[in-house]
Amino acid sequence: SAVISQKPSRDICQRGTSLTIQCQVDSQVTMMFWYRQQPGQSLTLIATANQGSEATYESGFVIDKFPISRPNLTFSTLTVSNMSPEDSSIYLCSVVRSSYNEQFFGPGTRLTVL
Amino acid sequence: SQQGEEDPQALSIQEGENATMNCSYKTSINNLQWYRQNSGRGLVHLILIRSNEREKHSGRLRVTLDTSKKSSSLLITASRAADTASYFCATDGSGTASKLTFGTGTRLQVTL
Repeated sequence: SAVISQKPSRDICQRGTSLTIQCQVDSQVTMMFWYRQQPGQSLTLIATANQGSEATYESGFVIDKFPISRPNLTFSTLTVSNMSPEDSSIYLCSVVRSSYNEQFFGPGTRLTVL
Repeated sequence: SQQGEEDPQALSIQEGENATMNCSYKTSINNLQWYRQNSGRGLVHLILIRSNEREKHSGRLRVTLDTSKKSSSLLITASRAADTASYFCATDGSGTASKLTFGTGTRLQVTL
């Protein structure tokens, strides 16, 4: 398993502003990911957070909208930029913790954009 | 979309009964994982089954995998009210470097 924390746990933001979400892991991990879960939906992968290089984004997600930092092997941030109500979702980070790709998730950040 | 399908979408049972959820996926996989999510909170990892395994147990959970049919099932035996949650399957396709594709989820309600 893994101990993963996220900050903030929830936030209510105004349209047009940006929010940075932090993900902290209790030990070093190679693979770290960011997912989005829109209301009533399943999870969709936003990007892979790469340590020491730019994140790898999935189709439909761009760096200008979701910039990601990964300064070391235990920490990452996801910024949701220029927010609109459609960005209201739960954002979750995950880490890989075994050679079989067992993935463990943080508690999530519930974002509401007004 | 590569998203898998889960059925049923919603399941309501009484405490003590068994609950079975099914997951179908579209591509070849390395493994399949099941997760539980309570009331829109974080995901709890339940069990991972590798593509060369057919069945796996963990406590009251039993997972099966049929790669020829691209399907998996999660059985929860002797359900409890605390099992009320949404359950998701997730696959990582062979060669996709750990990226997970999630199913649509099953909402399980266990009543007293």
